[in-house]
Amino acid sequence: NAGVTQTPKFQVLKTGQSMTLQCAQDMNHEYMSWYRQDPGMGLRLIHYSVGAGITDQGEVPNGYNVSRSTTEDFPLRLLSAAPSQTSVYFCASSYSSGGGELFFGEGSRLTVL
Amino acid sequence: EDQVTQSPEALRLQEGESSSLNCSYTVSGLRGLFWYRQDPGKGPEFLFTLYSAGEEKEKERLKATLTKKESFLHITAPKPEDSATYLCAVRISGYSTLTFGKGTMLLVSP
Repeated sequence: NAGVTQTPKFQVLKTGQSMTLQCAQDMNHEYMSWYRQDPGMGLRLIHYSVGAGITDQGEVPNGYNVSRSTTEDFPLRLLSAAPSQTSVYFCASSYSSGGGELFFGEGSRLTVL
Repeated sequence: EDQVTQSPEALRLQEGESSSLNCSYTVSGLRGLFWYRQDPGKGPEFLFTLYSAGEEKEKERLKATLTKKESFLHITAPKPEDSATYLCAVRISGYSTLTFGKGTMLLVSP
């Protein structure tokens, strides 16, 4: 039972490069989301999805895109990386879009030079 | 503006020395208060959900309580393995979206 799987675990980018952080869950969860965690800032919501084909913005969506073509996958795309996007990114899922606890992945540490 | 504030930012305890962590919130329409534990380099791990004032939940040495303005995470006779960052979060919308506090870093020394 893998739970929420994130890849890659570590990535270094140059300013202006694009990349995709992958997130997959094998629990048939309806709700998926992306957070970023920065020192002194806590976890902040980037984007979320309440089901396949449905996505919405969170607190800090600028510079990021998401899509949800399947129940299992919720990739996060950085269109043109900036040093301000250096952070640890967490994908989280929940059984129901209407509530319940979030299950988190192990995180992806991104550095933008 | 809705806000979740955790205190203290950091706490050092001796093994066996009981204490409490605080999470105060200023939100309208609370639909759940959540406690998570996060170990270094790992994702947050779910501990408890509380839904209404007066509710309490326990797990091993941890007990979470909820009032109309704050929640406490009581740690009884902590052990070094309880060392971690403890995160508090609130749900205010109809979805599973959570708003997190900045966390309390707990260090328990043997």
